[in-house]
Amino acid sequence: RKEVEQDPGPFNVPEGATVAFNCTYSNSASQSFFWYRQDCRKEPKLLMSVYSSGNEDGRFTAQLNRASQYISLLIRDSKLSDSATYLCVVYNQAGTALIFGKGTTLSVSS
Amino acid sequence: DVKVTQSSRYLVKRTGEKVFLECVQDMDHENMFWYRQDPGLGLRLIYFSYDVKMKEKGDIPEGYSVSREKKERFSLILESASTNQTSMYLCAIRTQGGNQPQHFGDGTRLSIL
Repeated sequence: RKEVEQDPGPFNVPEGATVAFNCTYSNSASQSFFWYRQDCRKEPKLLMSVYSSGNEDGRFTAQLNRASQYISLLIRDSKLSDSATYLCVVYNQAGTALIFGKGTTLSVSS
Repeated sequence: DVKVTQSSRYLVKRTGEKVFLECVQDMDHENMFWYRQDPGLGLRLIYFSYDVKMKEKGDIPEGYSVSREKKERFSLILESASTNQTSMYLCAIRTQGGNQPQHFGDGTRLSIL
């Protein structure tokens, strides 16, 4: 099993749609989880941390299921500007290094 | 705001050259990281540093070395550049200890001819 696995997509959705991305991780001892966003030919930028109880930031909701080792990101009311690659990121057990998924590509069209 | 500055956005070098990629941060953060990103492979950790003169190997250190003589600067060195080191190189800092998120510089697109 790969350390962090994501559906690469692409997800093609119309403006206003709700879209969900999923991610699984292999190390049950991982403690910290994040979603990053990366635009084409740019650096990754932190979108949000993922907390055990689930958390929301505007149109974005992140969920963590430790039992299933599963993380999700829900985007409501998609905007054109949401088009990007979304990276699921997990700290290794020692907390020394981030492990990145390969990303899920989202394309929002008008 | 966190500021991570990489010395070059684009760089073209020749096979066999010694290449230096510089990363500078302005907030006295201790933890600094170098990654490379390649299509289909995602981001992979090359080296990281917890403090001045300290370094740790990441997942793919072969062909690279690093230098951290001052807290604000973390340099990645390609000892003898090869074409398979053509990549996007990203420097990151961690703002606090523990499992905090990392923040990236703009990246350097390095081409080795």
